[in-house]
Amino acid sequence: QVQLVESGGGVVQPGRSLRLSCAASGFTFRNYGMHWVRQAPGKGLEWVAVIWYDGSNKYYADSVKGRFTFSRDNSKNTLYLQMDSLRAEDTAVYYCVRDRQYPQSYFDYWGQGTLVTVSS
Amino acid sequence: QSVLTQPPSVSGAPGQRVTISCTGSSSNIGAGYDVHWYQQLPGTAPKLLIYGNTNRPSGVPGRFSGSKSGTSASLAITGLQAEDEADYYCQSYDSSLSGSIFGGGTKLTVL
Repeated sequence: QVQLVESGGGVVQPGRSLRLSCAASGFTFRNYGMHWVRQAPGKGLEWVAVIWYDGSNKYYADSVKGRFTFSRDNSKNTLYLQMDSLRAEDTAVYYCVRDRQYPQSYFDYWGQGTLVTVSS
Repeated sequence: QSVLTQPPSVSGAPGQRVTISCTGSSSNIGAGYDVHWYQQLPGTAPKLLIYGNTNRPSGVPGRFSGSKSGTSASLAITGLQAEDEADYYCQSYDSSLSGSIFGGGTKLTVL
């Protein structure tokens, strides 16, 4: 069965960096685009970024553009989200999700999420 | 403030029918982009409920249905059950933002 397992969350000071990972299994990872979606505590869902199946294209929400970098290693079935210059407003649960039907994407599988807290 | 507008809350008694609206604009729903819906039970990750405006993934009960017209979409839930109490989100694509967008979410309370 499809599994997406995020890791790497934690508490980090403003201005510092953190790298999230997402390990995928149960499907042919290299055939699918993938996204990160986040949810601040008690708030709604916010799309963060997408990466194409082969890593050739990436698009970011304006709120993270220039600070976050999305990458993937298809040999390891793993996604990475490098988050630099973190701000308090980046505090959220980060979900990796599988894409269907890009660009009219819908997300058919979600990980359990990893919590990032940006605080001094 | 979300690009897609949903009512913050709706409620209904068991067995009743409720609808949740999702209003967009000419750069997203009105441009013909599909609308998708997710259900998020307390403390869990969201789950795909409706994709491509009207389609239900395998395992989603027929009590859930979606529709779309113009710059809006709706999720309808019939035969309301206590287990339907959750947050519901609509999602689409926005051409001016070049990315996916979500509604602000609607909390469904089963009375």
